[in-house]
Amino acid sequence: DVKVTQSSRYLVKRTGEKVFLECVQDMDHENMFWYRQDPGLGLRLIYFSYDVKMKEKGDIPEGYSVSREKKERFSLILESASTNQTSMYLCASSLWNPDTQYFGPGTRLTVL
Amino acid sequence: KQEVTQIPAALSVPEGENLVLNCSFTDSAIYNLQWFRQDPGKGLTSLLLIQSSQREQTSGRLNASLDKSSGRSTLYIAASQPGDSATYLCAVIGRGNNRKLIWGLGTSLGVNP
Repeated sequence: DVKVTQSSRYLVKRTGEKVFLECVQDMDHENMFWYRQDPGLGLRLIYFSYDVKMKEKGDIPEGYSVSREKKERFSLILESASTNQTSMYLCASSLWNPDTQYFGPGTRLTVL
Repeated sequence: KQEVTQIPAALSVPEGENLVLNCSFTDSAIYNLQWFRQDPGKGLTSLLLIQSSQREQTSGRLNASLDKSSGRSTLYIAASQPGDSATYLCAVIGRGNNRKLIWGLGTSLGVNP
């Protein structure tokens, strides 16, 4: 079974802090994705990566950056957290693109 | 621009009932359509993936159909159980749109014992 893990289930940060969200998958998948999910807006793609050190912007990349130094790990970075980045963050991976995406449990981030 | 709509937004049924969840999309040029399940406060679990050349996929009590010409998909759940209570989301990947999933907002299903 594919397993996607995220570093934290719940996180509380203060405005202006630098925030790191980590995602690890154990199935040697090429593609990894970061989404945020908000009520009434659904899932929105922030960034995705199709190979180590490769990344592509999604629909809402502003205020975020990503890093993929190793195939199994994809990090989402909030350079200076703001209250409007309070959300549920979901990481996913897939072997091919397009293909079935496997999701992690999510990180509920609150920025005060 | 592709848009995905799921109606109704919420549904409540008694245990044992057969039910249908609906998903519609505006552009029929899709690569595939996927159905996911999300339990409250948790990540998503892939249920079924239908390629554009397929008409339906089945997994246990779940059956998903695809009608590209009308821009519709349905998820049929047979003999519903309280454990089926969750939010069900559909998503499509269009041809030539850099292969991003376009998501519906989901249908929140409650199955009452």
